[in-house]
Amino acid sequence: DTAVSQTPKYLVTQMGNDKSIKCEQNLGHDTMYWYKQDSKKFLKIMFSYNNKELIINETVPNRFSPKSPDKAHLNLHINSLELGDSAVYFCASSQDPRGAYEQYFGPGTRLTVT
Amino acid sequence: QKEVEQDPGPLSVPEGAIVSLNCTYSNSAFQYFMWYRQYSRKGPELLMYTYSSGNKEDGRFTAQVDKSSKYISLFIRDSQPSDSATYLCAMNSNFGNEKLTFGTGTRLTIIP
Repeated sequence: DTAVSQTPKYLVTQMGNDKSIKCEQNLGHDTMYWYKQDSKKFLKIMFSYNNKELIINETVPNRFSPKSPDKAHLNLHINSLELGDSAVYFCASSQDPRGAYEQYFGPGTRLTVT
Repeated sequence: QKEVEQDPGPLSVPEGAIVSLNCTYSNSAFQYFMWYRQYSRKGPELLMYTYSSGNKEDGRFTAQVDKSSKYISLFIRDSQPSDSATYLCAMNSNFGNEKLTFGTGTRLTIIP
């Protein structure tokens, strides 16, 4: 019974394409996040939503657009993909937006842009 | 200078050894300190959580926080091959909707 799930797990695409990654959590949490992990394993937050409201928006190119249709889902759409977008993207959720609460991570989506 | 610094390793130790993993940070407002473990091709999972300074023990794992030195540690006793993973420290101040700031992670291998 997966707590935080992401689809797809792997995504290989060409530069210039548009792609989406979907995330769902069944933990009943109010807050969801998107993180990017580069090849050196550095995990950096991109966005955070609390009850469908955007609360953290780091300095991310506006080619990246998150969408939260409800508090159990947070999708990430990426326009005009670039080589530098290749990374592992993790979705996470927590009970509360305050960082003191444990964040539960999904399995990641490995994006390769060629 | 990054807010959180962590030696990326890799670190290899024999099974049964005591492992010490460390992070330093620059933001004195940080109050909550966590260690996440990430197995290869998996998402991070919370291992230990500490508030403010002090020690916390959970089985073979001990987390230490020294706020005066802005230094946190994770000790693993009687290390096992199943402990082989990347360990990421994370911290924040918990003021409002504060983001969690991660270290770069230390890749640990326990040699049987």
